[in-house]
Amino acid sequence: RKEVEQDPGPFNVPEGATVAFNCTYSNSASQSFFWYRQDCRKEPKLLMSVYSSGNEDGRFTAQLNRASQYISLLIRDSKLSDSATYLCVVGSGGYNKLIFGAGTRLAVHP
Amino acid sequence: DGGITQSPKYLFRKEGQNVTLSCEQNLNHDAMYWYRQDPGQGLRLIYYSQIVNDFQKGDIAEGYSVSREKKESFPLTVTSAQKNPTAFYLCASSHDAPRAPYGYTFGSGTRLTVV
Repeated sequence: RKEVEQDPGPFNVPEGATVAFNCTYSNSASQSFFWYRQDCRKEPKLLMSVYSSGNEDGRFTAQLNRASQYISLLIRDSKLSDSATYLCVVGSGGYNKLIFGAGTRLAVHP
Repeated sequence: DGGITQSPKYLFRKEGQNVTLSCEQNLNHDAMYWYRQDPGQGLRLIYYSQIVNDFQKGDIAEGYSVSREKKESFPLTVTSAQKNPTAFYLCASSHDAPRAPYGYTFGSGTRLTVV
C-alpha cells in the first residue's frame, strides 16, 4: 500500500465548478499535512497547510480527518488558471521529511 | 530575495558518465532534500540532510551520492551505477523540520536525460 494515495484523475470541469480532491495516508503518526500545486514541467509550490480544524484560503478549503487518515481539498468557482496537478503531502512520523502522493490532475475548461 | 537555485536546468548524460547537479539555497534553512520525479509519478526521496556534514539515504539512494560541506549547498551526483537516470530532479529545503505552515521550498528543478 502506498503511504499517500490520491485519485490520479484527470478531473475535467467547466469554469465556475466546484471540485473536491481526496487523499488517504497510512502513517497514523504523521503530524504535518499540506497541499502543493504543480504546473506542467515546473516545481511543486505550496498551496496550503492542512489542520484538524479545517482551513480556508479564498476559494480553497482543506480538511483533515485524523481518525480516518483522510485529507481533502475543495476548490470553489474554478478558474482556468487552477488547471494543474494537486499533490497531497504528509509529514513522516519522524518529522524529518515529507511524503508525496502521485497527484491529481485538474483541467478547467471554458 | 531568498530562494533555492538549481543548475543546470537541462542536462544530458552519456552512458557511463557521472554528472553532478547543483543546489544552493540562501534561506538559512538547516535541512535539504533531493527528490526524483518520473512522468505521471509522485516525488521519490533520494537523499536528505538535516545538518552540515551529515546526510541520510532516502527510498531510492542506489546509484546516487551527495555531500553537505556547507549549509547552503547540497550537490547530487548521479553515478554510472544509476541504470535509469532520466528524470526530473528536484531539490528542496526547510527549517529544521518541514512542519506546517512552511513545508518545503523547492528549486526549479533539473531535467536529466541520458543520450
